[in-house]
Amino acid sequence: KAGVTQTPRYLIKTRGQQVTLSCSPISGHRSVSWYQQTPGQGLQFLFEYFSETQRNKGNFPGRFSGRQFSNSRSEMNVSTLELGDSALYLCASSLVQGAYETQYFGPGTRLLVL
Amino acid sequence: QKEVEQDPGPLSVPEGAIVSLNCTYSNSAFQYFMWYRQYSRKGPELLMYTYSSGNKEDGRFTAQVDKSSKYISLFIRDSQPSDSATYLCAMSGTNDYKLSFGAGTTVTVRA
Repeated sequence: KAGVTQTPRYLIKTRGQQVTLSCSPISGHRSVSWYQQTPGQGLQFLFEYFSETQRNKGNFPGRFSGRQFSNSRSEMNVSTLELGDSALYLCASSLVQGAYETQYFGPGTRLLVL
Repeated sequence: QKEVEQDPGPLSVPEGAIVSLNCTYSNSAFQYFMWYRQYSRKGPELLMYTYSSGNKEDGRFTAQVDKSSKYISLFIRDSQPSDSATYLCAMSGTNDYKLSFGAGTTVTVRA
């Protein structure tokens, strides 16, 4: 079974621009989560989507947004980029099984903001 | 204070040694505990998953959870150079729909 795929893998943007990252979950997985990973803050939860609905959101400013499509693919958007947004953005997909979902991560998109 | 505390190391051990990793947490609602391994420039890979307190073994890996002490551990027996990576603990409550991660411990196994 193919794993979680993320595109693009690397991205360079300048301050003030916006960016859209894409995530395709494992086939059959309907939940998609996004995380930001930085050396200083580690892995931090951004948001989670299930059946096109956001079920949980982390403590990030409104510049960070996401959505999920009917085929479970997800996108996240960051508007008005800041230098501090440079990070590895990870997507994880889950097969919902009761109260817990085992999350499987993609390789990430490395974003550099200049 | 962070919700999940993990010593970032680094930890360097000779090949064949036992690697011991641990995390402490403050949120008593956490019920699900995981260990992920992350190689450089890759996404985290799920190693072990444990529900509530107890031990779980999978090959050379053993995970332990002590909810009374809010303390979880991962042991790697007969460590190999290929085990050199960053190990992240993660945890979640019921219907949380998110994982809370430790900072990650960087492990190097010397040949």
